[in-house]
Amino acid sequence: DAGVIQSPRHEVTEMGQEVTLRCKLISGHNSLFWYRQTMMRGLELLIYFNNNVPIDDSGMPEDRFSAKMPNASFSTLKIQPSEPRDSAVYFCASSSSGETGELFFGEGSRLTVL
Amino acid sequence: RKEVEQDPGPFNVPEGATVAFNCTYSNSASQSFFWYRQDCRKEPKLLMSVYSSGNEDGRFTAQLNRASQYISLLIRDSKLSDSATYLCVVTNYQLIWGAGTKLIIKP
Repeated sequence: DAGVIQSPRHEVTEMGQEVTLRCKLISGHNSLFWYRQTMMRGLELLIYFNNNVPIDDSGMPEDRFSAKMPNASFSTLKIQPSEPRDSAVYFCASSSSGETGELFFGEGSRLTVL
Repeated sequence: RKEVEQDPGPFNVPEGATVAFNCTYSNSASQSFFWYRQDCRKEPKLLMSVYSSGNEDGRFTAQLNRASQYISLLIRDSKLSDSATYLCVVTNYQLIWGAGTKLIIKP
């Protein structure tokens, strides 16, 4: 089975541009997590979906960030407008048992905002 | 005080040595505990769950001390390939991640 698939793997953009990150869950998983990782702040949860419904979005930094799950297997994280401080690795992870079990991470999307 | 705390390291350890590190948590109602491993520029991957009675997987042993609110990870006969960052995760209706402990195994 394919694991969690993220795209793009790398993105370099200029401040003010819109960035869209994509994630495909593992088939059969019903929970999806978006994380951001930086050297300074470590791994931060941005948003958590269960059965396509956002359960916890308290980690979303501000209105510039939005996440959607248009169907059970796919999610997008959008940043508009992007800022240099958004530069980080964004991980998507899925789980079959919510927040109590093993998370399977994608390889991450490395974002650089100039 | 952070909810989950780890010594950031790095721990520099010679190959073949035994190394142990702890992770303390502040919420006594925490229910599940895990160790994840993250290689440089890679995604975190589950290393092992931590059970109340302690558990072992090859060279790795994980233990939980509820009274003192910490979990530990012991690596015996360390290999060069064990070099990574080890993240502890504690759950209490939500996942709380430690910042990770960096381990460097030297030949």
